Amino acid sequence: NAGVTQTPKFQVLKTGQSMTLQCAQDMNHEYMSWYRQDPGMGLRLIHYSVGAGITDQGEVPNGYNVSRSTTEDFPLRLLSAAPSQTSVYFCASSTRGSSYNEQFFGPGTRLTVL
Amino acid sequence: DAKTTQPPSMDCAEGRAANLPCNHSTISGNEYVYWYRQIHSQGPQYIIHGLKNNETNEMASLIITEDRKSSTLILPHATLRDTAVYYCIVRGAGGTSYGKLTFGQGTILTVHP
Repeated sequence: NAGVTQTPKFQVLKTGQSMTLQCAQDMNHEYMSWYRQDPGMGLRLIHYSVGAGITDQGEVPNGYNVSRSTTEDFPLRLLSAAPSQTSVYFCASSTRGSSYNEQFFGPGTRLTVL
Repeated sequence: DAKTTQPPSMDCAEGRAANLPCNHSTISGNEYVYWYRQIHSQGPQYIIHGLKNNETNEMASLIITEDRKSSTLILPHATLRDTAVYYCIVRGAGGTSYGKLTFGQGTILTVHP
């Protein structure tokens, strides 16, 4: 299993550009999430999904869109990039099969918006 | 989810036990205590979790006080590779809690040779 994969690893955008961060998992997990981490801070939840076709907002959803057309993929779209969106983005997945859930995180995408 | 309080940083000598405390005084009866760590800006890694009883796995031990208002993560023989930010998270199980973790600032553990 590759686990949770994210592409690209690094990205530089200009203000106003749009782009999509890709996230995929091969563990057949129902739950997937996107977090951002600013320097010296903990992770903050952007959006999450409890299954294909179902998404919901997290703590900091503004400026981001998500969709979940398949169980495996959960892309995060930046609509019009702003310097405040410079951050490291982590995707995570987990299963609902037990009373607790261990979240598996991807390696992150480091985004700089100029 | 209940709020957690952790010391911002701790040091530990290699080979010694590292004891990382966490306060969660507002924890409710159905909320679990989770520990994750993040090594050098990698994605966070699950370590251990518990509800009421003490727990141990191959990575660490988790001691939860009887009143559940605090807990301690124990790395029994710390190595240099255990240098990381450690996050204590309290969260309910099931329902919409799945897929959602609330991270604080965590504790920066530095293991010295």
